Amino acid sequence: EPEVTQTPSHQVTQMGQEVILRCVPISNHLYFYWYRQILGQKVEFLVSFYNNEISEKSEIFDDQFSVERPDGSNFTLKIRSTKLEDSAMYFCASSGRTSGNTIYFGEGSWLTVV
Amino acid sequence: AQSVAQPEDQVNVAEGNPLTVKCTYSVSGNPYLFWYVQYPNRGLQFLLKYITGDNLVKGSYGFEAEFNKSQTSFHLKKPSALVSDSALYFCAVKEGGNNRKLIWGLGTSLAVNP
Repeated sequence: EPEVTQTPSHQVTQMGQEVILRCVPISNHLYFYWYRQILGQKVEFLVSFYNNEISEKSEIFDDQFSVERPDGSNFTLKIRSTKLEDSAMYFCASSGRTSGNTIYFGEGSWLTVV
Repeated sequence: AQSVAQPEDQVNVAEGNPLTVKCTYSVSGNPYLFWYVQYPNRGLQFLLKYITGDNLVKGSYGFEAEFNKSQTSFHLKKPSALVSDSALYFCAVKEGGNNRKLIWGLGTSLAVNP
């Protein structure tokens, strides 16, 4: 069964450093997403991406965040200057063309900022 | 504003007994409703969804959920629980149409006791 894959599974970084989280969405999917889950809190939407541009973003997704699809398979989330409060599990997801299509998630990248 | 409530932080059930995990939602339009499961140290795994049609939807691993428009609920059920069903269960909703953002509940921890 096709799946979304994410790397790294866990990353520890110092405050102020840049982090890039990588994702390979399901190959025939057209919409790509990043969500995050701070420990003990709700899963939160960060951004959706379609046709090589951001289609929607949340208030959390400020100027320190950026997304990119550098080639035909990868989808990345960059955090420019990490803060302690960025520590969270980051989930990449993808879905097909139709709004009712299921959104499939990867295993997550656990980011710890120290 | 869209919201999802999972009123129980934890549900305990004996193996072989039926289980219910509750979810209520609030959206302004027609809801698309989803259940995901998260096993320890794993990602968010899709279980089932309601988009339209029959109010009772069946999903993976013997789970089902019933959409109740008047009560704005989408409770997850299984006739006979297994110890291996022990996990964290998330209800999520998005509005129909082109909206792509999932709004999540806090999750319910299901413990099935042998």
